[in-house]
Amino acid sequence: EAGVAQSPRYKIIEKRQSVAFWCNPISGHATLYWYQQILGQGPKLLIQFQNNGVVDDSQLPKDRFSAERLKGVDSTLKIQPAKLEDSAVYLCASSLTGTWEQYFGPGTRLTVT
Amino acid sequence: QKEVEQNSGPLSVPEGAIASLNCTYSDRGSQSFFWYRQYSGKSPELIMFIYSNGDKEDGRFTAQLNKASQYVSLLIRDSQPSDSATYLCAVNSGGSARQLTFGSGTQLTVLP
Repeated sequence: EAGVAQSPRYKIIEKRQSVAFWCNPISGHATLYWYQQILGQGPKLLIQFQNNGVVDDSQLPKDRFSAERLKGVDSTLKIQPAKLEDSAVYLCASSLTGTWEQYFGPGTRLTVT
Repeated sequence: QKEVEQNSGPLSVPEGAIASLNCTYSDRGSQSFFWYRQYSGKSPELIMFIYSNGDKEDGRFTAQLNKASQYVSLLIRDSQPSDSATYLCAVNSGGSARQLTFGSGTQLTVLP
């Protein structure tokens, strides 16, 4: 079974530029999560999808971050414009509906200079 | 704001010893507790979960839960250098949405 796929693995941008991350969850996993993990901290939930609907985006900085999962499968997370404090690893995770176990992708390491 | 607290470490133990990792949480309504292992530069992977007070054993790992004290721990017996990683405690949040709130993790080093 293929795991959660994410791309790119690394991205370096200058502040005020935009960036997009892509995630393809495990086949059949209807629930998809985007997390931000700053160095030395635990993952922080940004947004949760159930199929193509948003369950919770209360911790997503909506003035600069946006996410979509239009067809209920893969998802994109965008930052526009980026700030220095957005430097982090962006993790995507997926799970089967009604289960607790979340499977994480390899993450995208973003550096904003 | 629901909080999950862990000692950041680093925690060093000799090979073969028992490593004890601790976690406290603020929300008395929390019902589900998870331990994730994260190797440097890698993504978190689930190693244990516990829902009921008491102990749960899985191989060399034992999770312990005390809801009255709002405390959950992970014991690793016969620690191996390959256990060297950051261990993240996570607690359910978000009601039926099945969300997790993570602690900041404890970095464990097992010395050969």
